[in-house]
Amino acid sequence: EVQLVESGGGLVQPGRSMKLSCAASGFTFSNYGMAWVRQAPTKGLEWVATISYDGSSTYYRDSVKGRFTISRDNAKSTLYLQMNSLRSEDTATYYCTRVNNPYWYFDFWGPGTMVTVSS
Amino acid sequence: DTVLTQSPALAVSPGERVTISCRASESVSTRMHWYQQKPGQQPKLLIYGASNLESGVPARFSGSGSGTDFTLTIDPVEANDTATYFCQQSWNDPYTFGAGTKLELK
Repeated sequence: EVQLVESGGGLVQPGRSMKLSCAASGFTFSNYGMAWVRQAPTKGLEWVATISYDGSSTYYRDSVKGRFTISRDNAKSTLYLQMNSLRSEDTATYYCTRVNNPYWYFDFWGPGTMVTVSS
Repeated sequence: DTVLTQSPALAVSPGERVTISCRASESVSTRMHWYQQKPGQQPKLLIYGASNLESGVPARFSGSGSGTDFTLTIDPVEANDTATYFCQQSWNDPYTFGAGTKLELK
């Protein structure tokens, strides 16, 4: 059974940093691209970043470029999101998702971790 | 960015047929996917590639469309289909989601 479990969320002040982790199990992690998708409270879904199966390619939405870094450790089957210079508009539940090629949809989602950026 | 427009809400009775629409601001070929999100839960994939049913999803769910106009159909609707349904495109960068259609049962 595919499982994705996020951790690392919480309350953080504007301008500070936070690192999210996602532990994956139930599939061969190194065979799949992975992504982060976020959802602000009572809002819709927003793609944040994607990383290729081997970590060689990364993609970001414009609003987080230069501030967020997606990475992975295939030996540990773990996905990361390093978030720097956090803003109030980054407040959201962050979901770890598995990316299915070649259509690039999100076929499995973790339960999410909440990030609140506030002073 | 490609804007996906969905109707905000629908209300139907159990046993009826419901269609949820998603219109793209530009062509997305057949790279349209549908998700169901129940309150307090993560989204769940229902349909990928416009019309392909994800494994384990009941055959009551179906999808159609290409280019800019897409439809998710539930027939017949059951009480536990109460949820918000999102469309998502993966043809144009960045990938975008619709705002969601909240389905309520009468």
